[in-house]
Amino acid sequence: QAVLTQPSSLSASPGASASLTCTLRSDINVGAFRIYWYQQKPGSPPQFLLKYKSDSDKEQGSGVPRRFSGSKDASANAGILLISGLQPEDEADYYCMIWQSSTWVFGGGTKLTVL
Amino acid sequence: QVQLQESGPGLVRPSETLALTCTVSGVSIYSYYWSWVRQSPGKGLEWIGNIYFGGTTNYNPSLASRGTISLDTSQRQLSLQLTSVTAADTGVYYCACEDFWGQGTLVTVSS
Repeated sequence: QAVLTQPSSLSASPGASASLTCTLRSDINVGAFRIYWYQQKPGSPPQFLLKYKSDSDKEQGSGVPRRFSGSKDASANAGILLISGLQPEDEADYYCMIWQSSTWVFGGGTKLTVL
Repeated sequence: QVQLQESGPGLVRPSETLALTCTVSGVSIYSYYWSWVRQSPGKGLEWIGNIYFGGTTNYNPSLASRGTISLDTSQRQLSLQLTSVTAADTGVYYCACEDFWGQGTLVTVSS
C-alpha cells in the first residue's frame, strides 16, 4: 500500500470549491506530519503552495492566494487541500508530500480539471 | 530572488553515468535539505535523495545505491550522479528544497 494516496482526478466548476485529499497509509498517523502541497502546470516545475500540520503550524507559500488552504481530517487519516473560488488557471496537477525519516514521500498526484 | 538552475547533458547512453549540477542563488544554502526529484514522462514525482550542508545524505531505496548527491557550499552547487542508467531513468530532473524548485532539466537515456 502506498504511503500517500491521492485520487487520480477531480473535476469542479469555476467558482466552486475543490477538496483534494491525501490519505496516509493506515500505520502512519496524519497528526504527526506536516503535509506539503504543490501545484504543477503542464511544462512547468512544481510550485510550493502551502504546508499544514495544524492551525497553529502552517505556512502559505509566497504569493499563494488565500483561497488555497490546508487542513486535516483525522478520522480519514488525510490531509486536505481546499481551493475555494475555483478559477480556470487552477487547472493543474496537485501533489502532496511528507517528510518521513529524513526522506520525501510524494503522493501520486491529482489532476484537477476546472470546467 | 531565489533561483535554482539545473544543468547537464540532455542525452546519456545506457549503462553510463548521469551527472547533473544545480546552482543555487538567492537563498542560504545552509538553511535547507537539498533534494533531487525526477519525473518520468507523463508520470508523478519521484524523490531521488537529499543532502544537508553538513554532508548528511539520504536516498530513495528504489535507486538501489546508484545515486550519489554532493554539495559544494563554496560554489553553491548541488550535484547528482546516477550510475548504470537505463531507459527507465529518462525524465525531467529537478533540484529543490521545500519551498523552491528549479525549472528542471530533461535527461534522455538512449543509445
